[in-house]
Amino acid sequence: GENVEQHPSTLSVQEGDSAVIKCTYSDSASNYFPWYKQELGKRPQLIIDIRSNVGEKKDQRIAVTLNKTAKHFSLHITETQPEDSAVYFCAAPSSGTYKYIFGTGTRLKVLA
Amino acid sequence: GAVVSQHPSWVICKSGTSVKIECRSLDFQATTMFWYRQFPKQSLMLMATSNEGSKATYEQGVEKDKFLINHASLTLSTLTVTSAHPEDSSFYICSALYRGTGYGYTFGSGTRLTVV
Repeated sequence: GENVEQHPSTLSVQEGDSAVIKCTYSDSASNYFPWYKQELGKRPQLIIDIRSNVGEKKDQRIAVTLNKTAKHFSLHITETQPEDSAVYFCAAPSSGTYKYIFGTGTRLKVLA
Repeated sequence: GAVVSQHPSWVICKSGTSVKIECRSLDFQATTMFWYRQFPKQSLMLMATSNEGSKATYEQGVEKDKFLINHASLTLSTLTVTSAHPEDSSFYICSALYRGTGYGYTFGSGTRLTVV
C-alpha cells in the first residue's frame, strides 16, 4: 500500500519569508497529490493539488512541485503571512483505491 | 458545490453510552465516504471506507463492532461509537468522494467527541 512521509513536522518562519514542506510517497502508480491546510479545530481545506502529468502548479503565493522519478512533491508558500499559520497535510491515493493516505502533518508558524 | 454537512460539531457523553455522528452530502450523491479520527496534534487516520448499500471496509486495528458505520442512502453516512470510553475521545471527520472531470474529496466540519 501507499506510504507517505512528510517533513518537517514543525516549521517556523519570519513573516515574508518562504516555507517549503516536502512529502515522499511509495506507490509509483499514484497520480494525484493534494495539499490541505487545517486550522485548529477545523476541517482540512484543500489549498492546491497536482496531477502526475505536470511538474509544477502555482496559485498566487502557493505552488506545488512534483518529481515523479524521485517520488516526492513539495508545497511552497512565498511571502508568508501570519494567517498562513496552520497544520499542512499532504496526501496520496492508495493504489487501486480512492483512499487517501495522509502525511503526518507540518505545523507552520509564521512569526510576525 | 460538493458540500458535506457533519453533525454534531461537538458532543460530550458518559462512558458506556453510544454516540452517533452524521455526515450528509448536500448537493451531490456520495456513493463513497470515509471516516477519519484525529487525535490532538496528529494526522488524520483513516478508520473505514463507507460505500452506499454495502458493508463498510475497516482499516486494520479498527474495531468494526465498536465503530458502526451505516451508509444507507446516497447522501447519508453515520458513524456510531458504541460503549464509548475516554480513550475514544477524539476529533472525528468524514469526507465524501465526489466525481466531476476527475475526483476529489470534500470534508465534513468534524465532530469533537469527549467521553467522560
